[in-house]
Amino acid sequence: AQTVTQSQPEMSVQEAETVTLSCTYDTSESDYYLFWYKQPPSRQMILVIRQEAYKQQNATENRFSVNFQKAAKSFSLKISDSQLGDAAMYFCAYVPNAGNMLTFGGGTRLMVKP
Amino acid sequence: GAGVSQTPSNKVTEKGKYVELRCDPISGHTALYWYRQSLGQGPEFLIYFQGTGAADDSGLPNDRFFAVRPEGSVSTLKIQRTERGDSAVYLCASSLTGNKNTEAFFGQGTRLTVV
Repeated sequence: AQTVTQSQPEMSVQEAETVTLSCTYDTSESDYYLFWYKQPPSRQMILVIRQEAYKQQNATENRFSVNFQKAAKSFSLKISDSQLGDAAMYFCAYVPNAGNMLTFGGGTRLMVKP
Repeated sequence: GAGVSQTPSNKVTEKGKYVELRCDPISGHTALYWYRQSLGQGPEFLIYFQGTGAADDSGLPNDRFFAVRPEGSVSTLKIQRTERGDSAVYLCASSLTGNKNTEAFFGQGTRLTVV
């Protein structure tokens, strides 16, 4: 069974600084996708960034980038120039290419200090 | 619609009662997913529809839970004989095809409280 682990229940960052959220996963599959979702108090999960396992290049989306280490099964999210609006719960998620269900980690609460 | 709509936003029910939670996906999206998110945890998969059929219902916890999507658009999650442990946020998501390259869009969820 696949598992996704986020070892940081809470993280704090100063506005305009950089923060990295950690995620590790366990799978025997070789072809899969990894995601980071943001969940503000509105409860709606919003896709932040996606990484296909067969791509060696790390995905980037504006201020958000990932460090994907396939051999180590690690998938961290870096947020640069943190903004107050980045404060939320962040979830790492995994889906095998042959499957349809997302497996989520337990989440990291990010606080941004002005 | 503009996004995935879930109704009601909040539902309080008594233990033992029957509840229905509704999900209106984005128009034209063939794939629809239900997840359950308990307090302080990540969402857990319940069921996946491709069109009208349940392609994967392996996440439904027991036979008190059932979901339908009769016309391939709106879906209803039905819970019989509710228990306090069913209290959670129930999230619905839809995607254009179900392909991993297409983004899954989530609704704002229904917070179910069983008292």
